[in-house]
Amino acid sequence: AQSVSQHNHHVILSEAASLELGCNYSYGGTVNLFWYVQYPGQHLQLLLKYFSGDPLVKGIKGFEAEFIKSKFSFNLRKPSVQWSDTAEYFCAVNAPGNNRLAFGKGNQVVVIP
Amino acid sequence: DTAVSQTPKYLVTQMGNDKSIKCEQNLGHDTMYWYKQDSKKFLKIMFSYNNKELIINETVPNRFSPKSPDKAHLNLHINSLELGDSAVYFCASSQEWPGFSSDGGDTQYFGPGTRLTVL
Repeated sequence: AQSVSQHNHHVILSEAASLELGCNYSYGGTVNLFWYVQYPGQHLQLLLKYFSGDPLVKGIKGFEAEFIKSKFSFNLRKPSVQWSDTAEYFCAVNAPGNNRLAFGKGNQVVVIP
Repeated sequence: DTAVSQTPKYLVTQMGNDKSIKCEQNLGHDTMYWYKQDSKKFLKIMFSYNNKELIINETVPNRFSPKSPDKAHLNLHINSLELGDSAVYFCASSQEWPGFSSDGGDTQYFGPGTRLTVL
């Protein structure tokens, strides 16, 4: 079964700072990778996803993530955060043909105006 | 126009009661899911239905019984509620059974969640 690790569960930064959230997964085969965001009191929304092709994926709201197969990683980045990026961020993975989506424990990001 | 909707949004109840949470999706998706998010925000899949058939049943107490009257609805009934059932329950749906999706994978779309508090 796949498992997902996210580090630095609590991140506090100022507006305009750069953000990088780490995500590592443990599964030896082909994977689909996702980043979801949960704004305070809201449901999970898809930020971006990787299935195949270019390992640098661009998502909504200026976010991007890079799949590095050799490191089993799918880190999320944003060059300049805004106060509205305050949210919980979840990395998730599943294997093609298997809809068991395994989530990491999330990163709580607080952006100070 | 909400894609995946859940009712109620909040549910507060006493231990031992039986309650239901409803989920509906208007995306035309074939597969629906229930997830539980605990107090530490950890999300774990509970059930998955594809075209009204149970596909995934994780190690969930049999007090939890999902019911899918049609492929647009997946309800969750919980008997004899316990304190440990307090959590946020999310419904989700996806287009096709993974592996048959045209983009090589599948994306799950989540509902707004139901915050269940058992007293």
